[in-house]
Amino acid sequence: DAMVIQNPRYQVTQFGKPVTLSCSQTLNHNVMYWYQQKSSQAPKLLFHYYDKDFNNEADTPDNFQSRRPNTSFCFLDIRSPGLGDAAMYLCATSRGLTGATNEKLFFGSGTQLSVL
Amino acid sequence: DQQVKQNSPSLSVQEGRISILNCDYTNSMFDYFLWYKKYPAEGPTFLISISSIKDKNEDGRFTVFLNKSAKHLSLHIVPSQPGDSAVYFCAASEGGGADGLTFGKGTHLIIQP
Repeated sequence: DAMVIQNPRYQVTQFGKPVTLSCSQTLNHNVMYWYQQKSSQAPKLLFHYYDKDFNNEADTPDNFQSRRPNTSFCFLDIRSPGLGDAAMYLCATSRGLTGATNEKLFFGSGTQLSVL
Repeated sequence: DQQVKQNSPSLSVQEGRISILNCDYTNSMFDYFLWYKKYPAEGPTFLISISSIKDKNEDGRFTVFLNKSAKHLSLHIVPSQPGDSAVYFCAASEGGGADGLTFGKGTHLIIQP
C-alpha cells in the first residue's frame, strides 16, 4: 500500500543533543510537510517542500531545519533540542500538481519526541 | 492567534445518536475545509471535505455543512458508532492548499454504548 512512513515512532534525546527524524513516502507526491503537535494543541506547520523548493513558516525557530534529498525522503533536524521541543512530529504529503485545488494531506503515524 | 477554532475539547454521544462537531474560522481567505480523524498513536486520516462554493457535502454517515457568512462549519455523524470514538480535527486552506493546512485543536468524540 502506498503510504507515508515515519521512523522512529518514539525518539528520546538529551537536552541540546542534535536529533533527526525521518519520513519517507511511496505516494510519489510533490509536496512534503512537517507539523509539530504538542499535547491538546493544534498541529502546527513548521515547513514544507514543494518538490525541491523549501518553504519555512515565519515563526518556525531556527533550531529546526529540514532536508529533502529526493522525492521519497524528508528529514527534520533539531539542532539543539530544548524541553519545549518535546512533541509529536507529523510528516505529511500532498500531490501538489500544477493548478490543483483542494489538496488533501496524507499523514504518517508521527514520531513522539521526548527531551530529557 | 488561532485561525481555526474548535471550542469543544470533548463530546460524549450515545451510540446510534447524532454527533455534531463544530468548527469556526476567522480567515475569510480560506476556501477549502477538511475534517480529519485521529486515533491514539496514529496520524490523522482524511475524513471528508468541502469547498467554499458548496454548503453541504455528504459521504455515507458523514455530512459537513458550511456557513460562510458565519465562518462556521460542522460535521454530522449519523448514526454514531463505537468506532467513531477518536479526535476530530477541523482544517482549512486557502488558494489550493499546497502551502499546507491550518488545524484546530481537535475535539475528542466519545461514543458511549
